Amino acid sequence: AQSVTQPDARVTVSEGASLQLRCKYSYSGTPYLFWYVQYPRQGLQLLLKYYSGDPVVQGVNGFEAEFSKSNSSFHLRKASVHWSDSAVYFCVLSPGGNNKLTFGQGTVLSVIP
Amino acid sequence: ETAVFQTPNYHVTQVGNEVSFNCKQTLGHDTMYWYKQDSKKLLKIMFSYNNKQLIVNETVPRRFSPQSSDKAHLNLRIKSVEPEDSAVYLCASSYWVQNTLYFGAGTRLSVL
Repeated sequence: AQSVTQPDARVTVSEGASLQLRCKYSYSGTPYLFWYVQYPRQGLQLLLKYYSGDPVVQGVNGFEAEFSKSNSSFHLRKASVHWSDSAVYFCVLSPGGNNKLTFGQGTVLSVIP
Repeated sequence: ETAVFQTPNYHVTQVGNEVSFNCKQTLGHDTMYWYKQDSKKLLKIMFSYNNKQLIVNETVPRRFSPQSSDKAHLNLRIKSVEPEDSAVYLCASSYWVQNTLYFGAGTRLSVL
């Protein structure tokens, strides 16, 4: 069975600061990994995805994530956050690339001025 | 640009009533999903439909039933709502062979 753990339920950062949201996964096969963002009163939107190749993947709005097989991690980063980045971020695993997704618990990001 | 449309945005009802939520996608996808998101933001798959065939039914209570007229529409009916049904219901779509989901904005249900 697979699982995704986002160890930080809430993260608060100052505007302009750098950001890292952590994600750990458990899956014995080839993981396909995603980060989705959910803004208030909206559905989830895809930020980025990793299938294979370069472990650092670029996403929208300056986000990037780094895959580490040795650490079973897929952390999300941004060099300088903006207040509009305040949202809930979900790390998602697709086992073997199928559509039976496993969602992490989500991390609530608050960006303060 | 929104391509998965859900109605209504909000619905308030009383215990025992029947409710229906609608979902339509304009992306040409062949698979649609219903997820339940609780107050802690946890997401749980309820159903998925591939070309009008039910693929997944993750042990949801029998009062929940999905209804699909074609691959672009997937509605959700709750026959007799319970207080624990209060949640946000998210509709999503994808191609069966792909794993990138596109979500609607959700329907927030409050059961009094």
